[in-house]
Formats: sequence, structure tokens, C-alpha cells
Amino acid sequence: QVQLVQSGAEVKKPGSSVKVSCRASGGTFGTYGISWVRQAPGQGLEWMGGVIPIYGTANYAQKFQGRVTVTADESTNTAYMNLSSLRSEDTAVYFCARDLRGGALAGSDAFDIWGQGTMVTVSS
Amino acid sequence: QSVMTQPPSASGTPGQRVTISCSGSTSNIGGNYVFWYQQLPGTAPKLLIYRNNQRPSGVPDRFSGSKSGTSASLAISGLRSEDEADYYCAAWDDSLSGQVFGGGTKLTVL
Repeated sequence: QVQLVQSGAEVKKPGSSVKVSCRASGGTFGTYGISWVRQAPGQGLEWMGGVIPIYGTANYAQKFQGRVTVTADESTNTAYMNLSSLRSEDTAVYFCARDLRGGALAGSDAFDIWGQGTMVTVSS
Repeated sequence: QSVMTQPPSASGTPGQRVTISCSGSTSNIGGNYVFWYQQLPGTAPKLLIYRNNQRPSGVPDRFSGSKSGTSASLAISGLRSEDEADYYCAAWDDSLSGQVFGGGTKLTVL
């Protein structure tokens, strides 16, 4: 059974960037999409964007267009989310999640496997 | 402000049946599948329902999903203390070209 293992917590300054990784353990990404979902403290879930690793195609939520980049390295079964121009409102737990079925767009299906989450704190 | 609307809270006693609603629009629930997730405190969400009413392997049949028009519901029967969690509906939104979530419902088992 594939598990998604994320990188550790980060503390960043406003205006800087953060890159979070998500590695597939016990398997590969296959044709499944990998998405990134964040959750600010005490708040709900928010989809940011995703990538289909086998094709290298990414799609993003309109809110994050231009500020987030999602990539994947098939050779290491690792996906990455880079968020730039960080502000305090970006303080959140960031999850990676796998689409239930392979599709044309990441995030177009339910997420059946989730990473453990990575806390990103933005503070001066 | 979430694209899909859920009641912020719900409650029930052990053994009861509770229902959580999710209201959307033609661009999300009305034209696409609905998903439901359960999130226990301090953990990642867990998929409960996909394709409106399908349960992944391992999810008890106490959990069921339904959809009608631009609304969906999650029903939990035989309520247990371990069902106390946050529940989120989600769907692909054609206008936003992304997956959108409801604001979440905190379920309390009294």
C-alpha cells in the first residue's frame, strides 16, 4: 500500500518561499495525480493545485496562480509544492494527497491517500 | 467564504442517525461527483465517500452519501463516540477549474 511521506516543518520569513516535498513510499505515483491541500489553524481545507507526475502537467487554483508551483520527479517518486511571496496568512498545515483514479486533471477525483501534513509557519 | 455551504456544527447521541448537508451550485455539485472526508483532530483527512455514494474499502456501511440537484448529504447511522470529528464535502468546480471544499461540519457525539 502506497504511503505519502512529507518533509518536516518549516519556519519562513514574510516574502520568502517554501518548498515542501511528498514522497511515495511502498510504490510509485503511476498515472495518479498528486494535489496539495492546505489548512490554516482552526480553518477548513483548501485545494491549491496538483500535478500528474507521469505527464508533468500541473493545474492550479485561481487563488494561487502565479504564486504556487507543483512539480514531480518520477525517478524519486517525489512531488514538490513551492509557494512564493509568503505572508502570515500562509501559515498552515500543507497536505499532499493522491487522486483515487488517474485522470486528465489533478484534483478532479477524490483523494484516497494523504500525507501526514507539513506545518509551515510564516513569521517575522 | 466557502463555495459550498455546510452547517458549522451537528450533534447526536450514541446510536442516533445524523445527517450533514452540503449546498453548492450547478458548477460543482450539480454537474460533478461529491466526495466526503472525515478529519479527526490533529490528523489528515480520510476519504469516506466518493462518486456521491460509494464507500472505499474499510469504511463502515454506517456512513452513506446522497446527492440531489445542487445539494448533497452525508448520513451517519448508529452514531459512535469515535465519529466525533470534522466532516467536509468536496467536488470539482467547472467554473473555478479546481476541487472545492465545504467549510466543514464539526460533529459532536453527546
